[in-house]
Amino acid sequence: EIVMTQSPATLSVSPGERATLSCRASQSVSSNLAWYQQKPGQAPRLLIYGASTRATGIPARFSGSGSGTEFTLTISSLQSEDFAVYYCQQYNNWWTFGQGTKVEIK
Amino acid sequence: EVQLVESGGGLVQPGGSLRLSCAASGFTFSSYWMHWVRQAPGKGLVWVSRINSDGSSTSYADSVKGRFTISRDNAKNTLYLQMNSLRAEDTAVYYCAREGYYYDSSGYYYGGYFDYWGQGTLVTVSS
Repeated sequence: EIVMTQSPATLSVSPGERATLSCRASQSVSSNLAWYQQKPGQAPRLLIYGASTRATGIPARFSGSGSGTEFTLTISSLQSEDFAVYYCQQYNNWWTFGQGTKVEIK
Repeated sequence: EVQLVESGGGLVQPGGSLRLSCAASGFTFSSYWMHWVRQAPGKGLVWVSRINSDGSSTSYADSVKGRFTISRDNAKNTLYLQMNSLRAEDTAVYYCAREGYYYDSSGYYYGGYFDYWGQGTLVTVSS
């Protein structure tokens, strides 16, 4: 099983600042990596697939990068609606999720 | 508009059974692989099972293999998860999700991510 490790577990950021979230795979997943956003009481929402392609309707302030085992989700200027938990997921070999990074207001 | 609506969750005793449903609308259901993903209270997301577009192929996480059965009725645009021999550790919100895909300019298939999710249904296993 491919293990996905996200860091940090919690990220405290002020509105308007940049947030950088990391995701590492235990073995190469090529570019078969997605990012999801989940708010309390809601279902996850797809943000990024193919490591760097924004899903339909996702604002340009969200960007993804990386390939192989190291990936990054960047939120260029945090808005109030962006405070949430973010999960990475590999779909190169079955499907596994990271444990999540909570982005909270500083 | 793509919609996925789960139902069938509830309280069940250990060893009991439950069948979840996921009603799909707004897209050609029979063209997509579908998945179940669960989330225990306060925990992260865990993939449970998948089924291909015509229902001929299924896969399961080791934790549910032999106890859960995924199926679909393309005529009714509905996905199912039959859960037997339920355990306390199966307590979670269960989401159905559509597997997204696209073809690049060379006709190469890319898929595997989950582009639409239902709102989830809570399953509680407790005596």
